[in-house]
Amino acid sequence: RKEVEQDPGPFNVPEGATVAFNCTYSNSASQSFFWYRQDCRKEPKLLMSVYSSGNEDGRFTAQLNRASQYISLLIRDSKLSDSATYLCVVPPANNAGNMLTFGGGTRLMVKP
Amino acid sequence: EPEVTQTPSHQVTQMGQEVILRCVPISNHLYFYWYRQILGQKVEFLVSFYNNEISEKSEIFDDQFSVERPDGSNFTLKIRSTKLEDSAMYFCASTLDIYRGYTFGSGTRLTVV
Repeated sequence: RKEVEQDPGPFNVPEGATVAFNCTYSNSASQSFFWYRQDCRKEPKLLMSVYSSGNEDGRFTAQLNRASQYISLLIRDSKLSDSATYLCVVPPANNAGNMLTFGGGTRLMVKP
Repeated sequence: EPEVTQTPSHQVTQMGQEVILRCVPISNHLYFYWYRQILGQKVEFLVSFYNNEISEKSEIFDDQFSVERPDGSNFTLKIRSTKLEDSAMYFCASTLDIYRGYTFGSGTRLTVV
């Protein structure tokens, strides 16, 4: 299994739809995870952190399933401005380095 | 909100030339990074820097690459003899705590011709 794996998409959804992305990771010892958002030719920006079973911030919900080694991102009531690439990011397991590993990203396109 | 700043935003260089990419991390951060992203591909780790030395580096970060933090604020990436395949967006990032995630700079687009 790749370290961090995502469906590249694109996911094409209408405004107002609910969409979910999954990400699988290989290191079972990883403790915390991140979702970053990246707009075309821009830097990744931190969207959400996931430390325990999940996290919710407005229309965005991130969930963690340690048994199956995947995290998900749910976006409710999609807006045109949500169109971007969503990157799943995994830190090292404790004391195993200090670099984050990025998935390839899932592209979301929200249409009017 | 504190920012990571990178200069220049775009650099065009001839193959074989040396380039220096500059970054000013957030002032109280402790860990500094360079990542790169070739157009259409994933964000790839190059090197991490902590306590004034390289703490990790990837296979990409070969002898052509070096990093410096010369004055306590700037953090530079030097590519000694650029190749066409070095063309990419180079992102600097910093963090106080790896488990809080990074803050990225807006990147330098390097084009080697």
